[in-house]
Amino acid sequence: EVQLVESGGGLVKPGSSLKLSCVGSGFTFSSHGLHWIRQAPKKGLEWIALIYYDSRNKYYADSVKGRFTISRDNSKNTLYLEMNSLRSEDTAMYYCAKGGVTIAAPAYWGQGTLVTVSS
Amino acid sequence: IQLTQSPSLLSASVGDRVTLSCKGSQNINNYLAWYQQKLGEAPKLLIYNTNSLQTGIPSRFSGSGSGTDYTLTISSLQPEDVATYFCYQYNNGWTFGGGTKLELK
Repeated sequence: EVQLVESGGGLVKPGSSLKLSCVGSGFTFSSHGLHWIRQAPKKGLEWIALIYYDSRNKYYADSVKGRFTISRDNSKNTLYLEMNSLRSEDTAMYYCAKGGVTIAAPAYWGQGTLVTVSS
Repeated sequence: IQLTQSPSLLSASVGDRVTLSCKGSQNINNYLAWYQQKLGEAPKLLIYNTNSLQTGIPSRFSGSGSGTDYTLTISSLQPEDVATYFCYQYNNGWTFGGGTKLELK
């Protein structure tokens, strides 16, 4: 069974940094691209980043480009999202997700980790 | 590519045929998926590549469309289908629509 478990969320002040983690199991972690997707409270979904299986290709939404960095450690089955210069509008539930038949359409999602940016 | 979903809120009765719409600002070339999100849960993939049913999803869900216009249809609404539905394109970047909240009448 595919499982994705996020961690690292919390309450931080504007301008600060935070690093999220997502541990995958039940699949060959090193063979699959992975996404980060977020959802602000009572709002819709926002795709924010994708990393290919070998870390050669990384893509970002304009809203986070230059502030967030997606990375992975295949030896630890772990996906990361390093977030810098956090703003109040970054407050959201952050999900990691794995593609299914197509890498581009996430089929498996974690339960999410909540990031709150507030002074 | 921006995605516009309509309606934003839909009320229907059990057994109704329900149709949700998603319109792209550009051609999506059938790289369109649909997600269901129930309150307090992570989204669930229903349909990918416009009309391919994800494993384990009931056959009452179906997708169609082409170009810029896509549709999710629930052939006979069940109580457990109450949720918010999001379309998602992956033809040019990756973008979600704003969602349609489906409730029981």
